[in-house]
Amino acid sequence: AQSVTQLDSHVSVSEGTPVLLRCNYSSSYSPSLFWYVQHPNKGLQLLLKYTSAATLVKGINGFEAEFKKSETSFHLTKPSAHMSDAAEYFCVVSRAGGTSYGKLTFGQGTILTVHP
Amino acid sequence: SAVISQKPSRDICQRGTSLTIQCQVDSQVTMMFWYRQQPGQSLTLIATANQGSEATYESGFVIDKFPISRPNLTFSTLTVSNMSPEDSSIYLCSVEDQTGPLAYEQYFGPGTRLTVT
Repeated sequence: AQSVTQLDSHVSVSEGTPVLLRCNYSSSYSPSLFWYVQHPNKGLQLLLKYTSAATLVKGINGFEAEFKKSETSFHLTKPSAHMSDAAEYFCVVSRAGGTSYGKLTFGQGTILTVHP
Repeated sequence: SAVISQKPSRDICQRGTSLTIQCQVDSQVTMMFWYRQQPGQSLTLIATANQGSEATYESGFVIDKFPISRPNLTFSTLTVSNMSPEDSSIYLCSVEDQTGPLAYEQYFGPGTRLTVT
């Protein structure tokens, strides 16, 4: 069984300030973890993924996330927010690869608002 | 990366009718998935559709309500049957594509926004 909890439903930051979106997971298996972003009326886009290699994962658009097994966390960060980062972000867990990821379990989403 | 298209992109339907959503991928993939995103909610997996076998449904979803076809490695359909307003959602198709040895990516289609009146 696997589950994901995104600790904040809404996060608001000012442009140029750091972004932190928090995610905790639960999994009976060694997990693969992902962050997806969904801009309004757009499809889902993969930001980054962790698949049992380096624990600090760098993604697109300056985002990165750190896998912390002891804390069962996979928080998403960005040093400096941009207006274009405003979107909804989903933390996702799946059974670790090998042959495939298979079923994805999504968190409830965090809406990021960026103020000028 | 796999490119996925869905038809229709949106529709408004009357209760009691059915709608079939098509998902087309530009490459052959083994695993395809159908998700639902209800208004203001996260994504929930409806079923896994692998070519050559019956779709596997998640808890709370049944074949009579959401029949799925997977006739080949690039195409799938999801039908939402006997619709009610509670079926108003975005329905998304996703695929798993192998990008290298033991390396996989999941890609999502743009979604079909369904409103049932």
